[in-house]
Formats: sequence, C-alpha cells, structure tokens
Amino acid sequence: NAGVTQTPKFQVLKTGQSMTLQCAQDMNHNSMYWYRQDPGMGLRLIYYSASEGTTDKGEVPNGYNVSRLNKREFSLRLESAAPSQTSVYFCASSEPLSGGLPLGTQYFGPGTRLTVL
Amino acid sequence: AQKITQTQPGMFVQEKEAVTLDCTYDTSDPSYGLFWYKQPSSGEMIFLIYQGSYDQQNATEGRYSLNFQKARKSANLVISASQLGDSAMYFCAMRETSNFGNEKLTFGTGTRLTIIP
Repeated sequence: NAGVTQTPKFQVLKTGQSMTLQCAQDMNHNSMYWYRQDPGMGLRLIYYSASEGTTDKGEVPNGYNVSRLNKREFSLRLESAAPSQTSVYFCASSEPLSGGLPLGTQYFGPGTRLTVL
Repeated sequence: AQKITQTQPGMFVQEKEAVTLDCTYDTSDPSYGLFWYKQPSSGEMIFLIYQGSYDQQNATEGRYSLNFQKARKSANLVISASQLGDSAMYFCAMRETSNFGNEKLTFGTGTRLTIIP
C-alpha cells in the first residue's frame, strides 16, 4: 500500500517548456487535490477533483490544467512554464466518507520540487 | 481576509518544555473541521490531530492536544514534553463544507518550530 505517489521528485524546466506532474493513489479515494507550497505562503490549492470525471479550480489555477484520468490518477500540466511556477507541488487525496477518520483528512504525496529557469 | 492565520513564523523551544502553536480561523459555516499537519525537513505532510466544530471536548493524540476556543475562533496546537524530533514546520488547516461534497482544506502559512537540546 504505497498511499499517494508522485513523479518526478525533482524537475528543472526552462521558461516556456511544458511538463506533466503525475499523481496516483491506491487508497480508493474519491477526492484528489493539487497544491503548491511557496515559502511564507503555506499550501495553496491549485485544482481539485471531487470524483472521477470532475475537476474544479482552486485558489491559484492560472497557468495549470489537470486531468482526472481515472479514480487513481490525477495529473497536473504546465503548458508553458514560467519562473513564477517554481515551487514544491503536492498531490493529496481524501475520502469524504472515510471510515474511522476525521471527515476530509487528506493524505499527501512526497512532493515534486520544480524549478523554472 | 485570511481564513487561517498563524502569527508565529518561527519558534524556538527548549527540549522537554511544552509549546503552543497559535491558529485562528474565520468562517461563517457552522460545520467545519480544523486540522494540524506536521512537515519535517524531509518534506512530507503528516496529519497530527483534528477538531470538529461540534466536538464538545478538546482533541488529544498522545503528546498533541488542541486548545479549541470556538467563541474566539482559535485552535491552538499544544505539544507537551517537546522532543528534538518535533522540530518541523506545522500547518493549521480548515475544512469547510463545499458544494461538491469533497472537503477542501485551507492552510495557514505555517510555524517553523525548532527544539533546542
């Protein structure tokens, strides 16, 4: 049981390049999330997906797109990377009706450290 | 307006002392939940403790307790008998009920706790 996995762990891009961050969870959770973490700003929600086939914008969606490929996988795409997107990206999942756990407890992946030059 | 406010960017505490990390929140939703997460230097996010808005008693989990003062809208984390391994970033987060049935979290900016031997 790997929990939430993310690939890659590290990535360096040049301005204008595109890339996709991959996230997968094996806990059969319905909800998945993408956050970015910047110094002094905590974690900010980029996009989320309440269930397979649905996605919605969070607090900072500009410059990103997402795909909920199936129940397990939720990818984040940067079409044209900018230096302002240098950050650590976290994927998380939760189960709204999780048995025995506080409602909405999110499980996080290990993060992807992205640098855009 | 900030939904979650953590006013202590950094704290230094002597080993074995108790420490309180402050968190205030703002919501008009009568049903909400408050979470604390720990982020050690390795980067992963670890769920520590949860308090529901309707919970009558303060939450406790081992050396962690949550000092919940609903009227003051505060949910401070108390760590008793601090240990060197408690050195980490700590985030307070709030769950409000969303329209889609998933449970988004809003995070504070975090407090970096350093335990001094």
